[in-house]
Amino acid sequence: QVQLQESGPGLVKTSETLSLTCLVNGASISSSSHYWAFIRQPPGKGLEWIGSVRYSGTTYYKPSLQSRATIRVDTSKNVFSLKMTSVTAADTAVYYCVRGGGTYRPEFDYWGQGTLVTVSS
Amino acid sequence: QSPLTQPASVSGSPGQSITISCTGISDDGVNRQLVSWYQRHPGQAPKLIILEDSRRSSWASNRFSGSKSGTTASLTISGLQAEDEAEYYCCSHAGVSGVSVFGGGTKVVVL
Repeated sequence: QVQLQESGPGLVKTSETLSLTCLVNGASISSSSHYWAFIRQPPGKGLEWIGSVRYSGTTYYKPSLQSRATIRVDTSKNVFSLKMTSVTAADTAVYYCVRGGGTYRPEFDYWGQGTLVTVSS
Repeated sequence: QSPLTQPASVSGSPGQSITISCTGISDDGVNRQLVSWYQRHPGQAPKLIILEDSRRSSWASNRFSGSKSGTTASLTISGLQAEDEAEYYCCSHAGVSGVSVFGGGTKVVVL
């Protein structure tokens, strides 16, 4: 059974950098068959794909977030991570780490439970 | 890529069939778009129910079916049950650019 678990600060100050890590169990992040993604849901709003990464380091990002978001993989620890710079209140959301996205088998089939990140001064 | 458009809400009585539309899927024949659908109950993570336009996920009920024609995808729920009351999201995945775009979500209400 594939399991994903997000970890990181629940509160980030305005203009600072949001950092989240996702630990993957039950699957190898080095698999060539899948990408790994971060998706968020602001309070009262819909889902928003942020970006996806492959074990090789290939990444795809939502164009409007590309300048602020960086997703990386650490195959030695079977984790991937998100950094988002210059955050504002609009970045307050539940953040999910997910398997999927990219150009091969792009559906998001396994999801973490989600973690709420609040941006406040 | 522009966001996808879904109705804000769809309702039906138990046993009825309902269909949720998802419009704005751009497909120029080169950058092929695949559509997936997700169900989200309050307080839970979304769950994949349809992939590759019309293929049901291994854990989805056979009461769910998906289709796509032109720039519109659709999710049909047959034999509506109380447990189907949830939010539903479509998502298009571009095969060349690697970009995924979600619809705004549809709340299904079982009357």
